Amino acid sequence: AQKVTQAQTEISVVEKEDVTLDCVYETRDTTYYLFWYKQPPSGELVFLIRRNSFDEQNEISGRYSWNFQKSTSSFNFTITASQVVDSAVYFCALTRQAGTALIFGKGTTLSVSS
Amino acid sequence: GAGVSQTPSNKVTEKGKYVELRCDPISGHTALYWYRQSLGQGPEFLIYFQGTGAADDSGLPNDRFFAVRPEGSVSTLKIQRTERGDSAVYLCASSLYGGDIQYFGAGTRLSVL
Repeated sequence: AQKVTQAQTEISVVEKEDVTLDCVYETRDTTYYLFWYKQPPSGELVFLIRRNSFDEQNEISGRYSWNFQKSTSSFNFTITASQVVDSAVYFCALTRQAGTALIFGKGTTLSVSS
Repeated sequence: GAGVSQTPSNKVTEKGKYVELRCDPISGHTALYWYRQSLGQGPEFLIYFQGTGAADDSGLPNDRFFAVRPEGSVSTLKIQRTERGDSAVYLCASSLYGGDIQYFGAGTRLSVL
């Protein structure tokens, strides 16, 4: 069975701090995709990144970076120099290559104060 | 439209009533998905359409839930004999093709009293 675990329920930081959101997944598939989505208070899930299981290169996009490690089944997300606008619920998700249903974790609520 | 549109944004109904929730996907997207999100939880998959047909409806919780996409664009999620446990945010997503990145709408918040 596939499963995504986000152990951190809530994280609070002060602006400009760096913060890492953890994601651990379980799957028996050799080919799969991992995702991060952001859900601001407006409710709409915003796509951030997709990674396939064959690409373990870390990725950086502005203040965001992602660390994918197959050996520990983790796909962690780091925000550098956090800002108040980063406050949201962040979801990690998993899907099979051939399948389409996203399996989501329970999410991590990030609160950034000024 | 520019993004996935869902209407209504809020729906309040009484236990036992029938409701319809509408999803208008991104233009040109052939795949459409419905998810349900309960408070404090991640979205849970309900059904996936490729074109007009339901390619995977394994997430529908019971036969009170039904969805259609008659022309391969707009989709309607239908819930019969609503129960208080059906209260949740119902999210719709679309992608260019099945398996591609899914883009979500803002959801319909359903409250069953």
